Amino acid sequence: DARVTQTPRHKVTEMGQEVTMRCQPILGHNTVFWYRQTMMQGLELLAYFRNRAPLDDSGMPKDRFSAEMPDATLATLKIQPSEPRDSAVYFCASGSRQTNYGYTFGSGTRLTVV
Amino acid sequence: EDQVTQSPEALRLQEGESSSLNCSYTVSGLRGLFWYRQDPGKGPEFLFTLYSAGEEKEKERLKATLTKKESFLHITAPKPEDSATYLCAVSRSGYSTLTFGKGTMLLVSP
Repeated sequence: DARVTQTPRHKVTEMGQEVTMRCQPILGHNTVFWYRQTMMQGLELLAYFRNRAPLDDSGMPKDRFSAEMPDATLATLKIQPSEPRDSAVYFCASGSRQTNYGYTFGSGTRLTVV
Repeated sequence: EDQVTQSPEALRLQEGESSSLNCSYTVSGLRGLFWYRQDPGKGPEFLFTLYSAGEEKEKERLKATLTKKESFLHITAPKPEDSATYLCAVSRSGYSTLTFGKGTMLLVSP
């Protein structure tokens, strides 16, 4: 089965450090999302790309978060500087019209900021 | 603003004891309602998409139904391997993004 691959799986970092999370979407999927999951808020949309173009990043704290798709095989989410409240699981998901937008999620990056 | 509310938050069943999970939603023009299953330490796994009121879809012991205000996920004769968190999400017409509910944690005991 095709998968969405996320790295790293776990990251522990100190407050103030830069964090970069990577995602390899499924080949042929032109829609990519970043979601954040916490116990309190559940799954929240951070950013959304179609054909590598950012379409919606309104859920992202602009002063510290940035999301890019340098090419069709790589999406990145950066946090600089990181804060303890950023501790969460970050998921990448991909899909396309051919999948009727039934998106496939990666296994997530569990981020802990101490 | 789109809203999705799932109930109950947690549900404990005995193996073979059928039940239903509820997902109430508010959205301006529904494009689709999605059900996902999430196991601990993993990402959500896509189960179904429902597009219009009256539509039903089935997969093994799971059956999803849709009305204009809510969706139900019926679990018939559940097994312990059905234990997971079930997430409901909606997508608005003209948009691809999903708004998720907080999920129902299902535990099926042998």
